[in-house]
Amino acid sequence: QSVVTQPPSASGTPGQRVTISCSGSSSNIGSNTVNWYQQLPGTAPKLLIYSNNQRPSGVPDRFSGSKSGTSASLAISGLQSEDEADYYCAAWDDSLNGFVFGTGTKVTVL
Amino acid sequence: EVQLVESGGGLVQPGRSLRLSCTASGFSFREFAMGWVRQAPGKGLEWIGFIRNKPYGGTTEYAASLKGRFAISRDDSKSIAYLQMNSLKTEDTGVYYCTRDPLVYDTAMKDYYYYMDVWGKGTTVAVSS
Repeated sequence: QSVVTQPPSASGTPGQRVTISCSGSSSNIGSNTVNWYQQLPGTAPKLLIYSNNQRPSGVPDRFSGSKSGTSASLAISGLQSEDEADYYCAAWDDSLNGFVFGTGTKVTVL
Repeated sequence: EVQLVESGGGLVQPGRSLRLSCTASGFSFREFAMGWVRQAPGKGLEWIGFIRNKPYGGTTEYAASLKGRFAISRDDSKSIAYLQMNSLKTEDTGVYYCTRDPLVYDTAMKDYYYYMDVWGKGTTVAVSS
């Protein structure tokens, strides 16, 4: 059972803005940076956001990340059909001395 | 092109061992930590562990639940990272991903942090009698 929780699902129509939350504790999100990953059906995860709000080259600026206290958020603006995927947050946990992944959120484009 | 290719997966009986390999190309392997993540069928991602590169001691960290059964090593001369899995259980079934783990300085937090930036396509391990 993960110590970092996400809502199991989120949805929106094309063009809408969708936000996914990631809730942790002082030992993980509260004291380390948060990264976000997108996993399209049947494929390996792909890095979307690192260091809370940094986008790797090639990731559209429709994706943005933020962190406050022991929670983080991923926002997808201008939702597109190809954004339908599972999204995971991850952070180092100082108590566990390892990475923890969030429980994952399935985004559906209606 | 930066690429990670996992190999060595397959069907194995409970209690047996298996060694997975991750062959890297397109970047300077010795400059990065390397990690492993797995995903059970229909489930979320689970971090297994990682190995730092030699300037940072080449040391390893593991998920507490797997420590003692799983071991990560690396051969910088061949650009390969390994995951040795012993005493396998049915619950170890899943897809195993290799990751490249760069160390980045965060100016806001004023500290260094690892993250997983490149992932392989994964190799499937099935533990069953």
